[in-house]
Amino acid sequence: DAGITQSPRHKVTETGTPVTLRCHQTENHRYMYWYRQDPGHGLRLIHYSYGVKDTDKGEVSDGYSVSRSKTEDFLLTLESATSSQTSVYFCAITSRPSGGADTQYFGPGTRLTVL
Amino acid sequence: KQEVTQIPAALSVPEGENLVLNCSFTDSAIYNLQWFRQDPGKGLTSLLLIQSSQREQTSGRLNASLDKSSGRSTLYIAASQPGDSATYLCAVGEDRGSNYKLTFGKGTLLTVNP
Repeated sequence: DAGITQSPRHKVTETGTPVTLRCHQTENHRYMYWYRQDPGHGLRLIHYSYGVKDTDKGEVSDGYSVSRSKTEDFLLTLESATSSQTSVYFCAITSRPSGGADTQYFGPGTRLTVL
Repeated sequence: KQEVTQIPAALSVPEGENLVLNCSFTDSAIYNLQWFRQDPGKGLTSLLLIQSSQREQTSGRLNASLDKSSGRSTLYIAASQPGDSATYLCAVGEDRGSNYKLTFGKGTLLTVNP
């Protein structure tokens, strides 16, 4: 599992409240990603990071922000949660050994419900 | 923008059958292609990764092929077992400078009946 943990694993919140999800890795990987998974849409990239303080937007970044102040932690924040952000959120890392075999490994997921 | 399509969306087969899952992508300038498995309520597990210079990869009963020029990949599962029941996802990797990202298909839900 490449040492990836996500917290919390489940969260129920109300519309308009801020929410922060945490992804933690123990193997010093440079690349980290946040995805959301929804029925009918599959996995969609929200934001990703290619180093400490280096982040970029993915396909569905509106309403989300991220921060990476140290290698091991990548935080996803919903500034003001909406019901459309009810989803399962996955964190991932890419292991980039020499030779280009860039395998992506996923965390266990966080199920977020916004009422 | 890269688009990844997986066909069929769902497949049900009897145990022991050999089967093929299909993945197609619109932009052939890919860096690699990865197949994942996802069990209900779980995260994704990497099965096979094919680099853009490769034609196929094998792991046990699984064989994945890649034809970049036609924008296609297949995942072949030999002698299917009930434990193979899961959703299988194809993801295309693109490397734009130092930025590496995957684009996922919506998956094929496989059910292997005993």
